[in-house]
Formats: sequence, C-alpha cells, structure tokens
Amino acid sequence: QVQLVESGGGVVQPGRSLRLSCAASGFTFSSYAMHWVRQAPGKGLEWVTVISYDGSNKYYADSVKGRFTISRDNSKNTLYLQMNSLRAEDTAVYYCARDSSLEATTVTTMDYFDYWGQGTLVTVSS
Amino acid sequence: QSVLTQPPSASGTPGQRVTISCSGSSSNIGSNYVYWYQQLPGTAPKLLIYRNNQRPSGVPDRFSGSKSGTSASLAISGLRSEDEADYYCAAWDDSLSAYWVFGGGTKLTVL
Repeated sequence: QVQLVESGGGVVQPGRSLRLSCAASGFTFSSYAMHWVRQAPGKGLEWVTVISYDGSNKYYADSVKGRFTISRDNSKNTLYLQMNSLRAEDTAVYYCARDSSLEATTVTTMDYFDYWGQGTLVTVSS
Repeated sequence: QSVLTQPPSASGTPGQRVTISCSGSSSNIGSNYVYWYQQLPGTAPKLLIYRNNQRPSGVPDRFSGSKSGTSASLAISGLRSEDEADYYCAAWDDSLSAYWVFGGGTKLTVL
C-alpha cells in the first residue's frame, strides 16, 4: 500500500532554515509528481509546491517562492523541502502528497493529490 | 483568506442528508474539476471525491459530489457519527498566482 512518511519538522527561529523529508514506499516513486501542502494551526490547507516525476520541473506558491526549494532523489524514494528564511507565518503541519497522474512533467498534466502522508509540524518562533 | 469559499460549519443528525457548498470563480471551479477531501480529527486529509463526482474505491456511495458553474457541493446521505470531520474542496486555478487552491474547510458535526 502507498505510504508517505514525513520527517524533519521542529522548532526553528525566524530567518533560519530547515529541511523536510518524505520517504515513499508501496508505489513506483520515480513515476509520480509529488507535492507539499501545509496547514497552519487551526487553519485550512494551502498548496506549497510540486515537482515533476523526473525532477525537471518545479512550481511554487507565491508565498514561498524564492525561499523554499523542492527536490527529490528517485534512487532513495525520497522527497525534500528545503525551507530558508523562515517566517512565523510558515508555522504549519507540512504534508507530502502524491499526484495522481502518471509521469506528469508540467503543471498542466498534473492532477490531484491522491495519497497524503501524516505530516510533520514546523514551528517558527523566537 | 481562502480562494474557494465554504461555510465554516455544518451539522446533521444520524441518518440525515447534509450538503456542503464550495464557491469559486471562472478561473478555478468554473473551468476545472473539483475535488473533496475529508480530514478526520488529528489525521491527514483523505481523498473523498475527484473530478467533480467520482469516488475512489473504498469511499461509500453515501458521499457524492456535483458541480454547476462556479460552485460545487458535497452531499453526505445517511449521516453517521464517523462522518464527523473537516471537509475541504479543492480545484486547479488558471491564474498565475496559484495552481491548486482550497476552500477554508467545513467542520461537520453529527449531533
């Protein structure tokens, strides 16, 4: 069965960096685009970023563009999110999610989030 | 402020039929599919409805989705206590500032 397990969350000071990981299993990781979606405490969901199945294309929400970088290592079945210049408003549970489309390269060929991990909490506070 | 608009709360009694609305615009719901996610307390979201009205395997047929113009609805019939959760609508957005957008979520209470 599809399993996504996030790690790397924690408490970090404003302006500092943090890297999240998402270990995938139960499917051919290298064939699917992958997303990060976040949820601030007591708030709704916000899409953050996506990477194509082969890592050739990456897209970001305006709120994180220039500060966050998504990447993947298909040999390790792992997705990453490098978060720099963190702000208090980045405090959230970060979920990795699989895109439903097979071998999607561009954002117009991607579809919806069909499987989600359990999330990892990032708290930005001094 | 979420791009898609949902009522913050909804409620019903066991066995009742409840609907949750989701309102958007021509750049999202009006021209793209709508998806619904269920988030049980303390857990990750789970896909409930895809492409407006399709149910993934394992989702009971008590759950149904529909779309008309720039609005969509999720209907739950034969309400059960285990349906108490937060429900989110989502859609692709054609504007340059966002790709995937969500509603603010609706907390469903089973009385």
